[in-house]
Amino acid sequence: QKEVEQDPGPLSVPEGAIVSLNCTYSNSAFQYFMWYRQYSRKGPELLMYTYSSGNKEDGRFTAQVDKSSKYISLFIRDSQPSDSATYLCAMADYSGSRLTFGEGTQLTVNP
Amino acid sequence: DTEVTQTPKHLVMGMTNKKSLKCEQHMGHRAMYWYKQKAKKPPELMFVYSYEKLSINESVPSRFSPECPNSSLLNLHLHALQPEDSALYLCASSQSGDTQYFGPGTRLTVL
Repeated sequence: QKEVEQDPGPLSVPEGAIVSLNCTYSNSAFQYFMWYRQYSRKGPELLMYTYSSGNKEDGRFTAQVDKSSKYISLFIRDSQPSDSATYLCAMADYSGSRLTFGEGTQLTVNP
Repeated sequence: DTEVTQTPKHLVMGMTNKKSLKCEQHMGHRAMYWYKQKAKKPPELMFVYSYEKLSINESVPSRFSPECPNSSLLNLHLHALQPEDSALYLCASSQSGDTQYFGPGTRLTVL
């Protein structure tokens, strides 16, 4: 079993939709949770970072962490075609020496 | 400023060539990383430098040789690569080890 599970999609939504992206994990040592956005043939871009259970909002993006269920989510409100990318969840333990990535979810927002 | 720069953007090399990839960050981050990413897969960690010393080598073949000349620079020396080494090579940096900022990557093709 992988330490981090993420549905690879692809996920296709109409413009303006609310998008929900999710990851589950099995390692209870994970304490830091990140979401990266990666456009085709580019490097991953850090979108959201959190280390506690609960919600964190930044513009149209909300990251949610539930440590008791070992489940994290990224919500995108009012999705735009420019949001079309692969979204990677990533996690680290207290040492922070390495990130464990999910497989990435490919998202397409259709105009 | 959270910029990590990488050169070159693209590199084509034969199996007998020697080439180097370069990475630079000016954020004062203490840790720098090399990742390899194949298509539709998450980044795979190769090497970690912490305070300019190699702290993690993920059993990478010796045809990849990392170097950290100073706290801002990271090189990856390539020699006698195989076609299966063709991939996107990503550099990242981090202050605390958990939140990593990625460069745009070097797309390497080995003929």
